Amino acid sequence: EDQVTQSPEALRLQEGESSSLNCSYTVSGLRGLFWYRQDPGKGPEFLFTLYSAGEEKEKERLKATLTKKESFLHITAPKPEDSATYLCAVRMKEGAQKLVFGQGTRLTINP
Amino acid sequence: KAGVTQTPRYLIKTRGQQVTLSCSPISGHRSVSWYQQTPGQGLQFLFEYFSETQRNKGNFPGRFSGRQFSNSRSEMNVSTLELGDSALYLCASSLVAYNEQFFGPGTRLTVL
Repeated sequence: EDQVTQSPEALRLQEGESSSLNCSYTVSGLRGLFWYRQDPGKGPEFLFTLYSAGEEKEKERLKATLTKKESFLHITAPKPEDSATYLCAVRMKEGAQKLVFGQGTRLTINP
Repeated sequence: KAGVTQTPRYLIKTRGQQVTLSCSPISGHRSVSWYQQTPGQGLQFLFEYFSETQRNKGNFPGRFSGRQFSNSRSEMNVSTLELGDSALYLCASSLVAYNEQFFGPGTRLTVL
């Protein structure tokens, strides 16, 4: 079964302390991997799309990278406003091709 | 450009009732997907529509149904509500199938 696993489940950092979130997947063929940010009580906000291994995308303090089996969301010098749940989702090339989401990483940045 | 809108934002229903949720996609977007989000299960895919046709369906019982209209607006219906249907229902639209999806604010459904 196609699966998406995110780690860690929760992460607490001090303001300015850089770290990475992981998203590993077991889909047989990847059509695209997507990163989203979700604030409590709101819908997910689109961040990045990655299509092939080696690809990287950046936006402000965030950088997403992709390998053949996982993706990382690197956060550099985070600020308290970066606190949110970060979700990754994959869409397969074959089969149902539906979007499958991971459980998310709840990130808290302390001032 | 206006984002995805969902109505109503909040709903309280009792067991056995039915409910209809509405979604208006971003202008020009032809693909609409629906998701159920709960603390325990995370984001679970319900269905995906493109040009009024259901392209994909998740593993939910037949009580959950949906449709898309010619203007790309979509509705989902849940009949014979159960307590476990309490969740945040999210709609997302994309320009075409397989592209990144943009989410609405969701409808919070509470079943008593």
